[in-house]
Amino acid sequence: AQSVSQHNHHVILSEAASLELGCNYSYGGTVNLFWYVQYPGQHLQLLLKYFSGDPLVKGIKGFEAEFIKSKFSFNLRKPSVQWSDTAEYFCAVTVTGGGNKLTFGTGTQLKVEL
Amino acid sequence: DAGVTQSPTHLIKTRGQQVTLRCSPKSGHDTVSWYQQALGQGPQFIFQYYEEEERQRGNFPDRFSGHQFPNYSSELNVNALLLGDSALYLCASSLTGTAYGYTFGSGTRLTVV
Repeated sequence: AQSVSQHNHHVILSEAASLELGCNYSYGGTVNLFWYVQYPGQHLQLLLKYFSGDPLVKGIKGFEAEFIKSKFSFNLRKPSVQWSDTAEYFCAVTVTGGGNKLTFGTGTQLKVEL
Repeated sequence: DAGVTQSPTHLIKTRGQQVTLRCSPKSGHDTVSWYQQALGQGPQFIFQYYEEEERQRGNFPDRFSGHQFPNYSSELNVNALLLGDSALYLCASSLTGTAYGYTFGSGTRLTVV
């Protein structure tokens, strides 16, 4: 069965700092990859997704992620974070032949300080 | 507005009781999936309903059951509640059984005492 690991559980950054959140998955076949964000008190929202093609994916609010197949990674990046980026971030995967259920990582809580 | 409506938002139940959670999908969506999010964890897939049938199921016991109605809305039922069932239950809707356009609701916070 597939699994997703997010190694950074809590990250604290100052505004304007650069962000990189790690995500690794374990599955030997074809995957679709997602990053979701959950702002305090709000529902999960899709930041970006990768299905195929260009491994560098751009999402909403200036976020991007790079799929590195050889490393089974899909790290999330943002050049300059804002206070409003404070939220919990989840990496998720669906696998070919596994239906379309999302398997989530445990999440990374990001706090951006002014 | 999430587009997906879940009710109730909060619920407190006693061990051994039964609970029913409800979900109305986003307009135009026909597939409903349920996830359990325990504190400090990522959401875990419970099951998915499409065309009023359970299409896929995660690693949850039979105490967890569901239903989808002709209008695509769905219910999650949990019998014989355990303390460990305390969690945020999320409903997600999508179109034609794909994960491409999942929309999540804000969830139902279930506390079992």
